[in-house]
Amino acid sequence: ETGVTQSPTHLIKTRGQQVTLRCSSQSGHNTVSWYQQALGQGPQFIFQYYREEENGRGNFPPRFSGLQFPNYSSELNVNALELDDSALYLCASSSTGLNTEAFFGQGTRLTVV
Amino acid sequence: GENVEQHPSTLSVQEGDSAVIKCTYSDSASNYFPWYKQELGKRPQLIIDIRSNVGEKKDQRIAVTLNKTAKHFSLHITETQPEDSAVYFCAVRTDSWGKLQFGAGTQVVVTP
Repeated sequence: ETGVTQSPTHLIKTRGQQVTLRCSSQSGHNTVSWYQQALGQGPQFIFQYYREEENGRGNFPPRFSGLQFPNYSSELNVNALELDDSALYLCASSSTGLNTEAFFGQGTRLTVV
Repeated sequence: GENVEQHPSTLSVQEGDSAVIKCTYSDSASNYFPWYKQELGKRPQLIIDIRSNVGEKKDQRIAVTLNKTAKHFSLHITETQPEDSAVYFCAVRTDSWGKLQFGAGTQVVVTP
């Protein structure tokens, strides 16, 4: 098991609502990346945080936002939820540099109804 | 941006046979190529990775080969076992910040 934990594990929200997902990174890691994995697809990069700053963003609208805290844990916020936001949301922690591996949390299964 | 294609999408093998999954990528600056195994309802788990300065890496029954000229890398699983059944994802990293671009995945089914 990795040291990356996510909460909650499952969540059901109504279209139009807002949601906050949380991730605790592995000890010694200073970078957190968030991915969206729709059913039957590979994870898609949402954005990455390094030392509390967004450091790269994928092709996701501004209603997807995030935070990183001084202890390197992170939040993913999604506003104005849409049905297509239903997916497994994964966070991955890593260190910077070329010789770094990314370890995933168990994910949060979000269902938008 | 980086484009990663993964083939095949499904792979059925008899227990004891070998399985090979291939990925191609587009960005010649890509420098890190991990493979993840994801069982149903679980997190992707890193099973093996290779960096751009290495052509091949092996870990017991699993090996990865990288051809930078052709921009493709492959996962080889030998002596497959039923517990190897899962979805396997290749991924590519182009910078040192950790952003990964994933392939679409290969569903591997190992039948006894």
